[in-house]
Order: sequence, then C-alpha cells, then structure tokens
Amino acid sequence: AQSVAQPEDQVNVAEGNPLTVKCTYSVSGNPYLFWYVQYPNRGLQFLLKYITGDNLVKGSYGFEAEFNKSQTSFHLKKPSALVSDSALYFCAVRPEYGNKLVFGAGTILRVKS
Amino acid sequence: DADVTQTPRNRITKTGKRIMLECSQTKGHDRMYWYRQDPGLGLRLIYYSFDVKDINKGEISDGYSVSRQAQAKFSLSLESAIPNQTALYFCATSGIPAPGTAQETQYFGPGTRLLVL
Repeated sequence: AQSVAQPEDQVNVAEGNPLTVKCTYSVSGNPYLFWYVQYPNRGLQFLLKYITGDNLVKGSYGFEAEFNKSQTSFHLKKPSALVSDSALYFCAVRPEYGNKLVFGAGTILRVKS
Repeated sequence: DADVTQTPRNRITKTGKRIMLECSQTKGHDRMYWYRQDPGLGLRLIYYSFDVKDINKGEISDGYSVSRQAQAKFSLSLESAIPNQTALYFCATSGIPAPGTAQETQYFGPGTRLLVL
C-alpha cells in the first residue's frame, strides 16, 4: 500500500530565506506526486505535480519540487519565502495505475518577517 | 475554489443524530471524493465516486454513507453521529485522465467543520 511521510510537523523560516518542506513516499510502481496548500479556513489548493519527465517541477506562487527516485522523495522548495506563504502543506502520492490519492499528515510552514 | 461548494460550512450536532453534508460542483467533473481531516493525520478518504452509478469505499467508510444524486452532486451522511466523527470534511472533484495517462488533479471545496457533542 502507498504511504507518504512528512517528517516535520512545522517548519519555521525567516522571510527572504529559502524554504524546504520535506516529503518521502512509498508506492508500488511509478509514483504520481502532488503538493497541495491549505490556507486558514480554506480548502486545499493544488500547487504542483510530478507525473513524468524533468525531476524539477515548477508550480504556483514560485514553488518548485524535486523528484528523487533513489531517495523516494519529493521535497517542496522556494528560493525566497514570503510571510504570505505561511500555511499548511500536504504532500500526496498515487501509484501510476491506482485510483486514490494518499496524503501525508501535513507540515505547517511559518514564515516570520 | 468557488467551483466546488459545500453546505453547511459549520455544523454542531448531538450524538445519535443523522446529518447530511452536501457537495456541488460546476467543474463538469465525473469524479468526486469525500475526505475527513484530523490534526496530525492529514486527509483520509471516506468514499469516492467515478460516475453517477459508481460508489466506492475509501479507507475509513465505517459510519458513513454517500449518495451521488447527479454528476454535480455528492452528499455524505452520518447515520448516527458519534463524537469521534468530529472533524473537518472536504469534498473534492477531478476529471477523467487523458488516454494513456492515469494522472489527475483534485479540486477541493472549502470544507465543512463538524462538531458532534
């Protein structure tokens, strides 16, 4: 069965500094990987996905993620954090021929000015 | 995302009561999902439906039922609510993957916050 681990409950970073939110996964076969963001009192919003091709995927709001097959990771990154990036971030995985997304527990990102 | 709406947005109910959460979408998607979100557990899939005649259990379907009244509507019922069903509930939709792929992006409603006393 597939699973997702987000090892950090919370990540704190200063505005203007680079940020990384970690995600590792376990799945049979090729993975389809997603990042979603949840702002307070809102539903989840799609940020980016990896299906195939370049390991570095660019998404919304300046975020990017790097797929590393050998380390089974899909870390979310941004070169320069904004206070408005503060939110709850979810990594999700689905096997290539599966029907269901499995979500990680989420990581709270706090960006301080 | 205004294309996926959920009603009510907040609900307080008592143990043993039957309640229904509703989801509507204007995205024209065939696939719809119900999740619950609990702190530290992320989102867990309750039920999903790939078309009007298709209903499937997710990982935590016990105590819940669903109805797909139309392509655009997918409701979740708690037949006899219990306190451990207190959670944030999300509806999501997705389109049918393009031929030769299995990928999809899910679009989420704003959530329903449910408190069972």
